This record gives sequence, structure tokens and C-alpha cells, in this order.
Amino acid sequence: SQKIEQNSEALNIQEGKTATLTCNYTNYSPAYLQWYRQDPGRGPVFLLLIRENEKEKRKERLKVTFDTTLKQSLFHITASQPADSATYLCAFNDMRFGAGTRLTVKP
Amino acid sequence: NAGVMQNPRHLVRRRGQEARLRCSPMKGHSHVYWYRQLPEEGLKFMVYLQKENIIDESGMPKERFSAEFPKEGPSILRIQQVVRGDSAAYFCASSPRDGGAAMNTEAFFGQGTRLTVV
Repeated sequence: SQKIEQNSEALNIQEGKTATLTCNYTNYSPAYLQWYRQDPGRGPVFLLLIRENEKEKRKERLKVTFDTTLKQSLFHITASQPADSATYLCAFNDMRFGAGTRLTVKP
Repeated sequence: NAGVMQNPRHLVRRRGQEARLRCSPMKGHSHVYWYRQLPEEGLKFMVYLQKENIIDESGMPKERFSAEFPKEGPSILRIQQVVRGDSAAYFCASSPRDGGAAMNTEAFFGQGTRLTVV
């Protein structure tokens, strides 16, 4: 059966560093992949979408890559800020989500 | 354009009662998804509906749970004879198109309904 995995339960980094979150999948051939941000007690908010024929997508301090050979997407936040602290979720075009990675950026 | 509206935000039910959760999608959106989320866990897909049709209910428990999205009005997630294990946050999301390979689009989420069964 298809499976989506996101790396580690929590990621702690220092302000100003680059945060890198991983989304791996198996038994799946997604047409595209999405990343969402979820703050405690709130619904997820869409951040970026990348298609299978795109290698990289950028939006301000965010960058997403999509490697269909490795079956992996990487989500980067450069120059991280404490306000970036949240849970980040990846999802595929069938709207199934990974478990999420909680990011904490320390000042 | 108002976002996805879910109500109530908080719902308390006694064991054995029925819970009805409502989701009004964004204007012009005809696709609705429902999810369940336990504390510190991810979003678990439950059901995908289009107007008047259930497209994918593979994540729905076979008993006590049902969902509908009528031609007029909000989408409803109904839980009959609730048990303590049903306590969770339930989120809905809407999109203007389906998730097929030919069409890609993000989904917009509501703020969720937190169901507590006592």
C-alpha cells in the first residue's frame, strides 16, 4: 500500500539557519506534491505545490524540490525565524497527508 | 470571499449521542475533503465528496460515520452513537477542482471542529 513518511517527529534549529524537512513516499507515483503549514489549534495553510516534472520551486524564503527517482521531496526554509515554528505537512494530489514534522526555531 | 467555514468550533456530546459537523466550502468550490486529527498526530483522510456524490470514502469507518454534500447547503459529517474514541479535531478542506493529474490545485482548510465525547 502507498505510504508517506516525513522525517523525525521534531526538528529544532537556531534562528538564521536553514531548516530542511523531508517527505518520502513508497508505492506511489504522485502527479504533484504540496506542502502545508499548521499552527496549533488551526487548520493547515497551503504553502507550495510542485509537479512531477518540476525539479524545484521557490517562494520567498521557501524552496521545495521533488525527486521522483528517490521518491522524495525536500522542503527548505532559509534564514529561519521563530515565527516559522509550526508543523509542516506534505500531501499528494489525492490529498493524503504525511504525519508532519514539527519545526521549532530558537532565537 | 469567505474562507472555509466549519461549525460548530467545539462540540461536546455524551456517549451514544449523535454529532453533526458542518462544513461550508469556499464560494465556487465543489470538492470537499474531511479529515480527523488526534493531538500530536497527522491528518487522517476520511472522505472525499463532490456535490451530491461520494467519490472516495476509503478512510471512513464502516459503521456510525457518514458524510454528504448536498446540491444546496454545507457538507455534513455525521457520527452516530459517539464513543470516547471519536474525540478528535475534524477538519474539512475544499478545492475548486479534483486532484487528478491534469489539474493541480491547493486545498483550503477550515479551522476545524473539536469534538469531545464525555
